[in-house]
Order: sequence, then C-alpha cells, then structure tokens
Amino acid sequence: GESVGLHLPTLSVQEGDNSIINCAYSNSASDYFIWYKQESGKGPQFIIDIRSNMDKRQGQRVTVLLNKTVKHLSLQIAATQPGDSAVYFCAENGNNFNKFYFGSGTKLNVKP
Amino acid sequence: EAQVTQNPRYLITVTGKKLTVTCSQNMNHEYMSWYRQDPGLGLRQIYYSMNVEVTDKGDVPEGYKVSRKEKRNFPLILESPSPNQTSLYFCASSLVRGEKLFFGSGTQLSVL
Repeated sequence: GESVGLHLPTLSVQEGDNSIINCAYSNSASDYFIWYKQESGKGPQFIIDIRSNMDKRQGQRVTVLLNKTVKHLSLQIAATQPGDSAVYFCAENGNNFNKFYFGSGTKLNVKP
Repeated sequence: EAQVTQNPRYLITVTGKKLTVTCSQNMNHEYMSWYRQDPGLGLRQIYYSMNVEVTDKGDVPEGYKVSRKEKRNFPLILESPSPNQTSLYFCASSLVRGEKLFFGSGTQLSVL
C-alpha cells in the first residue's frame, strides 16, 4: 500500500524562526503533492501544492521542496508566527487519481 | 463564500441507530469524498464520487453508504453504527478528481 511518512511527529520553534517540516513518500509514480494545515477543531486547509515536474514552489511565507530522487518533500515556513501552530500533513496522489494518501501529520508548536 | 459544509459538527449516538451526516459544497465541484481521521492512522478514504450518480469505495468502506443524487450533496450514511466507527469525519471536494481537496470542518461522531 501507499506510505506517506513524516520524520518528526512534533516540532517546536521560536517565533520568528524558520520551520522545516519533512515528509517521505514511497510511490515513485506520485506526481502531485499537497501540504495541508489543520488547526485544532478545524478541517485540513490547503497551503501549497507542487507537481513532479517542479523542484520548488513558493507561496506567501511558505516554500515546498520536492526531491524525487529520494522521494522527499519538505515545507518551509519563514518567520514562523504563533498562528502557524497546527498539525501539518503532506499528501500524495500515488498513481491513483481517485484519492490522496495522507501522512499522519507533524505538530508544529510556535513558542513566543 | 466557497465552502464545504458538514452537519452536524458533533453527534453522539448508540449502536445500531441509523444516522446520516450531510455534506454540501457550493463550488460546483465534480469530485467529492469522505474521510475518517483517527489518531495515529491519519486520514483514510471511505467513499468517493466522481460525479452525480457515480460513487465508489475507498480504503475503509465497510459499514458506510453514500449517495450522490445532486452535484452539491454527498451524504454519508451509517445504517447500523458500531463503536469502531467512533471517529472524526471529513467531507472534501475538488473541481475534478486528482485536484486539491477542500475540506469541511468535520463531524465528531461517538457511537456508544
């Protein structure tokens, strides 16, 4: 089956620092990846996505990096703020367009 | 406002009492899906629908039914709920299959 893993279940950072959240995937056929943010009591919220024909994509304060050689995905958050505290999931489509495979999530704690 | 709306947010019921969780989206999305979220297991797909009257099983369909009679609505039906269906449920939609998902706020279900 598909496997989407995260290297760290919990990440604590100081406000203002940069955060890096990592994700490993197992299916080399995956060609679309998404990062979601889930705040307590809410549904997952889309942050940024990237397709396999790209290595890097930037949004507002966020950057996603894709390394297809080692099947690794990362989310970088610049100048982390208290409002960034949440659980972050990566998702991949594998080779099945009917579903996404989600990792179990990394909890980001931002210390003031 | 573009959104996916689930109801109810919280539901406590007893074993065997049929229930329906409603889901509606106002984005004219073709694709809709139900996920359940359990600690340590992440988001797992229950059922999905690529369009009206087209539904199919996800990874954990046992004990659930769905219907897609209208494009905007995709209710999840538990004919005879059991305690192992206690979970946090999310409805999601996307413009077409394989595109980024937009999630509802979730339904916390407890089956006693």
